[in-house]
Amino acid sequence: EVQLVESGGGLVQPGRSLRLSCAASGFTFDDYAMHWVRQAPGKGLEWVSGISWNSGSIGYADSVKGRFTISRDNAKNSLYLQMNSLRAEDTALYYCAKDIMPRALVGATEYFDYWGQGTLVTVSS
Amino acid sequence: EIVLTQSPATLSLSPGERATLSCRASQSVSSYLAWYQQKPGQAPRLLIYDASNRATGIPARFSGSGSGTDFTLTISSLEPEDFAVYYCQQRGFFGGGTKVEIK
Repeated sequence: EVQLVESGGGLVQPGRSLRLSCAASGFTFDDYAMHWVRQAPGKGLEWVSGISWNSGSIGYADSVKGRFTISRDNAKNSLYLQMNSLRAEDTALYYCAKDIMPRALVGATEYFDYWGQGTLVTVSS
Repeated sequence: EIVLTQSPATLSLSPGERATLSCRASQSVSSYLAWYQQKPGQAPRLLIYDASNRATGIPARFSGSGSGTDFTLTISSLEPEDFAVYYCQQRGFFGGGTKVEIK
């Protein structure tokens, strides 16, 4: 059974940093691109960032480019999101999501067939 | 940047009725479009990818069609568990969602 478990969320002041983690199991992690998708309270979905199976292809939404960094450790079956210079508008539930296609590049198709339950990030003073 | 516009924002229907949801892209996306269902307090679930392919385990009452800029998600006969919010998605962009509510 595929499982994605996010952690690392919490309350943080504007301008500070936070690192999210996603622990994956139940599939061959290093075969698949992985993504972060967020949802502000009561709002729709927003793709944040994606990383290919071998970290060779990475993409970011314009809203986070230059502030967030995605990475993965295939030996640990883990995905990360380093979030710096956080703003109030980054407040959201952050989901980790698995790409449906093996060996996909970021920007190819990006269909998300498994999702975690999310970790809440609140940016407030 | 691609803008995905979903309509209507809210669809009020009764169980057993047919639901037709629309997603329009600001430029052609070929057939690279997905549909997701999200219920309150839950993560989204992939329903349809490549415009018309049902994801694993998705019931046959869900179908997708379209190409280019105009896409449709059809639920042939609404079950009680189908009342939810539906999003279309193309690569890094999501539509604003359509809420299917009980009439």
